[in-house]
Amino acid sequence: AAGVIQSPRHLIKEKRETATLKCYPIPRHDTVYWYQQGPGQDPQFLISFYEKMQSDKGSIPDRFSAQQFSDYHSELNMSSLELGDSALYFCASSLENSPLHFGNGTRLTVT
Amino acid sequence: AQSVSQHNHHVILSEAASLELGCNYSYGGTVNLFWYVQYPGQHLQLLLKYFSGDPLVKGIKGFEAEFIKSKFSFNLRKPSVQWSDTAEYFCAVKDYGGSQGNLIFGKGTKLSVKP
Repeated sequence: AAGVIQSPRHLIKEKRETATLKCYPIPRHDTVYWYQQGPGQDPQFLISFYEKMQSDKGSIPDRFSAQQFSDYHSELNMSSLELGDSALYFCASSLENSPLHFGNGTRLTVT
Repeated sequence: AQSVSQHNHHVILSEAASLELGCNYSYGGTVNLFWYVQYPGQHLQLLLKYFSGDPLVKGIKGFEAEFIKSKFSFNLRKPSVQWSDTAEYFCAVKDYGGSQGNLIFGKGTKLSVKP
């Protein structure tokens, strides 16, 4: 069965650069969620979109923005990267109130 | 603010041993509770969830969890672990009225099962 696809799997950026992470939800899923998991930390909810509109907001820094496109894929844009942004970024998708399905994550390293 | 505490950072067991992973949350209202598992190199997967009803919840792969409201606990159990259960386990809580994905996770417990 199709799963949540995230790209790239790994990304290395320098401080103050920008990064764009992509998430392709399971077909027909209408909601996408983004999480950040720092080294040795628990996943932190960043933001979610339902039917291409922002539906909830967590601890997403102002330097980050995200959107969901007409094909339901989502992109997380990160600007002015800091060392502390190095983390694993998970995306998850769901249909209405069905359980979340997570992607394998994008590991971002900021040097 | 809500928080989730997982008591053990790393648990090491031999195969066939029984497992209990502790999870406590702090929130005064009605919550939904979850356990997720993350196998090495893989994504988070839902093991089980509690929304309402029977406080003893059965999940996949022989796991179960018991919601004890008076103790704000949702401990995960398995009578006999296997080597393939080696993974990291995350407890998570969601405000009953909150959006589906606005989960508060615990810091996770690494389980290592020795063959």
